[in-house]
Amino acid sequence: DAGITQSPRHKVTETGTPVTLRCHQTENHRYMYWYRQDPGHGLRLIHYSYGVKDTDKGEVSDGYSVSRSKTEDFLLTLESATSSQTSVYFCAISEGQGPSTNTEAFFGQGTRLTVV
Amino acid sequence: AQTVTQSQPEMSVQEAETVTLSCTYDTSESDYYLFWYKQPPSRQMILVIRQEAYKQQNATENRFSVNFQKAAKSFSLKISDSQLGDAAMYFCVLYVFGNEKLTFGTGTRLTIIP
Repeated sequence: DAGITQSPRHKVTETGTPVTLRCHQTENHRYMYWYRQDPGHGLRLIHYSYGVKDTDKGEVSDGYSVSRSKTEDFLLTLESATSSQTSVYFCAISEGQGPSTNTEAFFGQGTRLTVV
Repeated sequence: AQTVTQSQPEMSVQEAETVTLSCTYDTSESDYYLFWYKQPPSRQMILVIRQEAYKQQNATENRFSVNFQKAAKSFSLKISDSQLGDAAMYFCVLYVFGNEKLTFGTGTRLTIIP
């Protein structure tokens, strides 16, 4: 199994509070991603990173920020949690080296976040 | 922009039978991969099979095979000899090089009937 760990695995928080989710990898993969999974929507990209301190927005980035100060860690922060951010969050990693490689994305176990 | 469409929210199949899950996609790029990922109740995302767009031959992995129709932008998954352990949500996923992002379909929940 790829070395990718998300923490925490479950969290309940109150509306308006900041929340940070952590993704840690031991694979030294260049690309890291944060997705949210909601019924009827599949997985939607929040933010991704293509290197240390290099990040970009995905399709559902409003209300979220990310940071990557080290290759192995990618943090997702909900600035002020809202009930619409109740979801399951997945971190993924990928080498992303081009079409000739046997590329694959590896996923963490997911974090179930409930905002009450 | 890339899109992936799975038009079958739910499907069921008798154990030992064959089932096909459908997927269509859209991209203007020529270098991409397509994947099928499986998500059982444990929530873990498991790679089932991958297809490189530049390869004409359809990928196979044991009981799993794909029908990749590049011109039609279609990528279906066939599961032969269905087993109880195949019950899961299945996602069709597009990965475009240069874009380096995964685009997911909405998923098909597969139920295996004993």
